[in-house]
Amino acid sequence: EPEVTQTPSHQVTQMGQEVILRCVPISNHLYFYWYRQILGQKVEFLVSFYNNEISEKSEIFDDQFSVERPDGSNFTLKIRSTKLEDSAMYFCASSPIGSSNQPQHFGDGTRLSIL
Amino acid sequence: DQQVKQNSPSLSVQEGRISILNCDYTNSMFDYFLWYKKYPAEGPTFLISISSIKDKNEDGRFTVFLNKSAKHLSLHIVPSQPGDSAVYFCAASAISGYELNFGKGTSLLVTP
Repeated sequence: EPEVTQTPSHQVTQMGQEVILRCVPISNHLYFYWYRQILGQKVEFLVSFYNNEISEKSEIFDDQFSVERPDGSNFTLKIRSTKLEDSAMYFCASSPIGSSNQPQHFGDGTRLSIL
Repeated sequence: DQQVKQNSPSLSVQEGRISILNCDYTNSMFDYFLWYKKYPAEGPTFLISISSIKDKNEDGRFTVFLNKSAKHLSLHIVPSQPGDSAVYFCAASAISGYELNFGKGTSLLVTP
């Protein structure tokens, strides 16, 4: 069964450094998403992406965050100048069409630890 | 704000019995509801969904019930198996958006 893959599984970064989290969505999917889960809290939406542009973003997704689809298969989340509070599990997801009436399929996540 | 609430952090059920997981929501614009299952060190895995035009959807051992007037949905697992032990997340989305709003999850333990 096709799946969303994320690399790396664990990323340790010094505070203030830039980090790029990578995702390969399911190949025939058109919508891509990033979520995060801070330890002990709920999964939170960050951003959705369609047709090479952001379609929706949350208040969490401020100027330090950016997303890109650099080629036909990868979807990346960049965090500039990381902060301690960016430590979380980051999940990538994809769906064939927009959210309503279509489930989003998630990768296994990248654990980001900011020191 | 908590638009999707799962008020039971944990549930323990004997193998073969029914597991009932509950979820409440506050946003009347939600029209699509999903249940995800999550094992440690893995991402959420889609389990079953229901659109607001239905009140029940069944897939094998899993059934989701939606009560729109009460803004409540539940997931029934019958019969429960030890492999069902996981954290179950309820999620919802609105017709106008792409964002999934998640509950905090219920940890289900199915004992032999």
